[in-house]
Amino acid sequence: DAKTTQPPSMDCAEGRAANLPCNHSTISGNEYVYWYRQIHSQGPQYIIHGLKNNETNEMASLIITEDRKSSTLILPHATLRDTAVYYCIVRVEGAGTASKLTFGTGTRLQVTL
Amino acid sequence: DSGVTQTPKHLITATGQRVTLRCSPRSGDLSVYWYQQSLDQGLQFLIQYYNGEERAKGNILERFSAQQFPDLHSELNLSSLELGDSALYFCASSGGTGGVFEKLFFGSGTQLSVL
Repeated sequence: DAKTTQPPSMDCAEGRAANLPCNHSTISGNEYVYWYRQIHSQGPQYIIHGLKNNETNEMASLIITEDRKSSTLILPHATLRDTAVYYCIVRVEGAGTASKLTFGTGTRLQVTL
Repeated sequence: DSGVTQTPKHLITATGQRVTLRCSPRSGDLSVYWYQQSLDQGLQFLIQYYNGEERAKGNILERFSAQQFPDLHSELNLSSLELGDSALYFCASSGGTGGVFEKLFFGSGTQLSVL
């Protein structure tokens, strides 16, 4: 699976959009981009995933560059409850691959008043 | 609430001992995964079971073993415990064998402290 690079930490003011970048320059054509987050000492929570098109759900939007070498997770209106570590994961598709969900060090997002 | 239940929430034991961590997956989920999270290693995949059968293995020590029972709950057994085994152990479940669209739902974890 391709390796990802994320900034170790970011700050965001409450109510503002939080834009979390992820670099995955060695991504291959059959690898999806997944985002999970982990609020302090809780289990990770799935946020969103995509292959090459931009995706949006009730939690966030995922913007993937045309060359797929990087992506941005957008939390449109961050709240204090969004303070967490955000993990960008690139994963090969196919049966049995969820086990290879490899979590890196992620980005620690701190939302402030 | 993810629907995945882990017990106990906290466990304190001594070196050399053996403990069992339990996980009940979401209703209907066939796959169970175990992860270990320590301060210096991050979140590490240990093992996956699907419908009672071992499906994939990660960096699981030989002192550790797991199984999934017919009712789909799973247990992670840790033996000959060492100080370095102190960590947060998460269980996750998903609906299928772990294909590309499988979302993993994580439990709230068991905090193991080995003294």
